[in-house]
Amino acid sequence: RKEVEQDPGPFNVPEGATVAFNCTYSNSASQSFFWYRQDCRKEPKLLMSVYSSGNEDGRFTAQLNRASQYISLLIRDSKLSDSATYLCVVISNDYKLSFGAGTTVTVRA
Amino acid sequence: SQTIHQWPATLVQPVGSPLSLECTVEGTSNPNLYWYRQAAGRGLQLLFYSVGIGQISSEVPQNLSASRPQDRQFILSSKKLLLSDSGFYLCAGYPGTANYGYTFGSGTRLTVV
Repeated sequence: RKEVEQDPGPFNVPEGATVAFNCTYSNSASQSFFWYRQDCRKEPKLLMSVYSSGNEDGRFTAQLNRASQYISLLIRDSKLSDSATYLCVVISNDYKLSFGAGTTVTVRA
Repeated sequence: SQTIHQWPATLVQPVGSPLSLECTVEGTSNPNLYWYRQAAGRGLQLLFYSVGIGQISSEVPQNLSASRPQDRQFILSSKKLLLSDSGFYLCAGYPGTANYGYTFGSGTRLTVV
């Protein structure tokens, strides 16, 4: 079983729509969680950390469910510029960084 | 804040040639450093990580090696490249503060011909 798994998508949504997707992780001792955004042929860039209580950054909301071992990302009022691949990142207690394969989101006009 | 410098941006090398990719860190001391490879249309694969000078952990057995001769320098090497070594190589650093996440270099796109 992979350490981090994501639905690859693609999620094709119209502008203004809400899109949400999850990421599951296998190591119950995982300590930190992040969502990264990767544009085509570019390096990943930190989108937001995921806190235990859930957190929001503008149109983006991240949730953590430790009992079921998954994190989620919700994007409200989608913009064309939100089109990208979203990578789930899980950090274990020995600082090993594990990536999901990414969820592709395409926002259409 | 932490900045990762990585070069070159693109590289075309013949099969069997050696490789040396360098990554340097600015802005933090004693960071954890990582080398990742991303094949076309695929996810990120962890190759090596280092928690300090001279300390290297290998995640995937292959013809690549890594070294950390200085606190802020991480080098990825190969003595003889294979076609399958083609990909997008990314260096990442973690400053030790959990909620700041990891920073990536801009990557090296390697094509082995």
